[in-house]
Amino acid sequence: KAGVTQTPRYLIKTRGQQVTLSCSPISGHRSVSWYQQTPGQGLQFLFEYFSETQRNKGNFPGRFSGRQFSNSRSEMNVSTLELGDSALYLCASSLVQGKYNEQFFGPGTRLTVL
Amino acid sequence: AQRVTQPEKLLSVFKGAPVELKCNYSYSGSPELFWYVQYSRQRLQLLLRHISRESIKGFTADLNKGETSFHLKKPFAQEEDSAMYYCALSTQGAQKLVFGQGTRLTINP
Repeated sequence: KAGVTQTPRYLIKTRGQQVTLSCSPISGHRSVSWYQQTPGQGLQFLFEYFSETQRNKGNFPGRFSGRQFSNSRSEMNVSTLELGDSALYLCASSLVQGKYNEQFFGPGTRLTVL
Repeated sequence: AQRVTQPEKLLSVFKGAPVELKCNYSYSGSPELFWYVQYSRQRLQLLLRHISRESIKGFTADLNKGETSFHLKKPFAQEEDSAMYYCALSTQGAQKLVFGQGTRLTINP
């Protein structure tokens, strides 16, 4: 099976702009989670989507949003970009059968805000 | 609030020596604990989880609820173990991981 894919791999934006990142989960996986990774804060959970519904949300401002489509692909959007949004954004997919399932991570999208 | 602490940012040991990466957590309920590993130029991947009680690549980790710890151990380190290791916690079956800051392990020849 193909792994989790994320596009684009690199992005450069300026402050005030908005950005959309995309994640395609492993075939058959219905849960997609997003994480932000920065040198200062480490890996932080953004949100999780399952069957097109947001099930869990981390402590991020409303500028960070996401959605999931019927084919389980997910997008996250960041509006009014700030310098501090520069980070590696990782998505992870899981099968969701039972209590907890292994999350498979994508390679990440590196966002730089200038 | 849930929190995971990995006190060592960097750990360097010689090949063949024992390795222990420390992880402590704070959570009042019954968490699920994991170790994730990221090798150079590779994706973050699950190494092991406490619930499966298995040994992966010679690594083991025991959940100590009394000390709220989940230390990762290997009796004889190998050069291919050099990587970034993250301890993570999940609660109530949620697909949400709380990660520690990570420990970069370097195995010297």
